[in-house]
Amino acid sequence: RKEVEQDPGPFNVPEGATVAFNCTYSNSASQSFFWYRQDCRKEPKLLMSVYSSGNEDGRFTAQLNRASQYISLLIRDSKLSDSATYLCVSSLVGSALIFGKGTTLSVSS
Amino acid sequence: DAEITQSPRHKITETGRQVTLACHQTWNHNNMFWYRQDLGHGLRLIHYSYGVHDTNKGEVSDGYSVSRSNTEDLPLTLESAASSQTSVYFCASSPLYTGELFFGEGSRLTVL
Repeated sequence: RKEVEQDPGPFNVPEGATVAFNCTYSNSASQSFFWYRQDCRKEPKLLMSVYSSGNEDGRFTAQLNRASQYISLLIRDSKLSDSATYLCVSSLVGSALIFGKGTTLSVSS
Repeated sequence: DAEITQSPRHKITETGRQVTLACHQTWNHNNMFWYRQDLGHGLRLIHYSYGVHDTNKGEVSDGYSVSRSNTEDLPLTLESAASSQTSVYFCASSPLYTGELFFGEGSRLTVL
């Protein structure tokens, strides 16, 4: 079983829509969680960290549910520029990051 | 500006040849990582290093080796390239364990 699992999508949404991505992780000892964004044929870049209390950055909200080993990313008011692949990431303390396979989002006008 | 660079960006080689992909960062980061990315598999960790002379195996380390002789460089060597190693390879670095990896632009390797 893959340590981090995501629905690959693709998610096809119109501009202005709200879209949510989910991710599960298998190792209950995982301590840190992140969402990365990857544009086509480019390198991944950190979108946001995920905290137990939940955190928001503009139109983006990340949530962590440790009991269910579940992470989510909510994007409100989708823009064309949000089209990308979103990678869910977890790690143990002091260990390298483990990436999910990614969820593809396509926002259309 | 500090940066992380990979070379070559594109390479075609033949089965059985030795290949080395270079990774150089000017941030003075302690941690460096190599991932490969393939359709259907996402990013998979090959090797990583937490400092000079430190190297660790990742999820898919078979057929690959790394060495860390200085802070700036972590070259990835394929001792005998196989077609299964055709992939896009990303190098990344981070200062300490912060969760923010800074990736290079990737090296696309084709093994024929």
